[in-house]
Parts: sequence; C-alpha cells; structure tokens
Amino acid sequence: GESVGLHLPTLSVQEGDNSIINCAYSNSASDYFIWYKQESGKGPQFIIDIRSNMDKRQGQRVTVLLNKTVKHLSLQIAATQPGDSAVYFCAGGGNYQLIWGAGTKLIIKP
Amino acid sequence: DADVTQTPRNRITKTGKRIMLECSQTKGHDRMYWYRQDPGLGLRLIYYSFDVKDINKGEISDGYSVSRQAQAKFSLSLESAIPNQTALYFCATSEPGQGALDTQYFGPGTRLTVL
Repeated sequence: GESVGLHLPTLSVQEGDNSIINCAYSNSASDYFIWYKQESGKGPQFIIDIRSNMDKRQGQRVTVLLNKTVKHLSLQIAATQPGDSAVYFCAGGGNYQLIWGAGTKLIIKP
Repeated sequence: DADVTQTPRNRITKTGKRIMLECSQTKGHDRMYWYRQDPGLGLRLIYYSFDVKDINKGEISDGYSVSRQAQAKFSLSLESAIPNQTALYFCATSEPGQGALDTQYFGPGTRLTVL
C-alpha cells in the first residue's frame, strides 16, 4: 500500500545550524505534500506545502525540496532556534486523503 | 489552535463503554476530520466530512462512528471501546483549496485510555 516515511525518528542539531529533515514516499501518484510541526501537548501545525509540479518552495526560514525521481522530499530549517524543537511530520497524497509519516523529533542542542 | 476545540482533553474508560469525543470549530470551515495518533505511526484518518450531509470513511473507520451535528460540530463515537483504541485523537478542519487537498487546522487533541 501507499506509505510515507521519515528517515530518522530523532535529529539533534546545534542551535544556529541548519536542520534537514527527510521524507520518502511510495506513491508516484501523490500530487501534494505537506509538512507539519507538532509541539508537545499540541495538535499538528501547518508549516509549508508543495505540489508535485514544483521542485522547491520557500517560506519563512523553511524550504521544502521535492525530488520526484527518487520520491523524496526534505524540509530545511535555516538557523535553527530553540522554538523549532518539535516533532515534524511529512504527509502526502491526493484524492482528499493524506498519508502521514511517523514523524522526526528535532532536538536543539544549546 | 484555539479556533478548533476538543472535549474532553483526557479520558480514561473501561472496555465496552460507549465514548463520545466532541469537536467544535469557529473557523467557519465546511470540512472536518477525525484522526488518531499512535506512537511511531503518525496520524491516520478515521472519518471526514465535507459538509453536514457528507460523511466519509477514512483509513481506519472500523469501531468508530461520527455525527456532523452542524457545520461547526463533528463528534466521534466509540460504541464499545477496546484497549487498542487507546490513542491520541485529533479533530481538524479545512476549507477547499486549489486542488484535492487543503491545509488542515488541528485541535489540541484528546488523550483516550481504554482499560
């Protein structure tokens, strides 16, 4: 079946460095991908999305890259801050339903 | 997101009990969703509703039912709770985007424990 998965369950990054969180998907027909951030005790919060007809999209301090050839997407966070500490989920799909990955916990080292 | 509220926030119940989780939103969105979150598995869609008269099963609807009482209210019921329904449950809302999917806004979650 369809799957979306993140490469690492945990990622530790030095404060001020850039963070890169990776995600792979299996369904070539997926036409939409979203990154969500979930802080402890809260629901997921939208960060950025990208459609399959794009390779790159930038937001405030975040960039999503999509490589359809290898079915891979990544979330890059520039100048990581303590407030970026959270679990990050990628989700993808079409037909009104998203398939969610398991999440990567981003830990910020002071 | 304060615009999407869920009650209760925590609930402990026993096997076989009927449980209702409620979701209310003030965002004025037509679309509402119920997900469950288990450790290591991400979120999985239980049911979704595109308007008051439209209810659809998601990936894992067995053992659950829903009711869309109004545009702003979407409740999830477990008719006879079982321990493997212990999870974190999220309600979400969205409004139609440019494609088949649109940005979803999540409530704070309900932690349900079935003993």
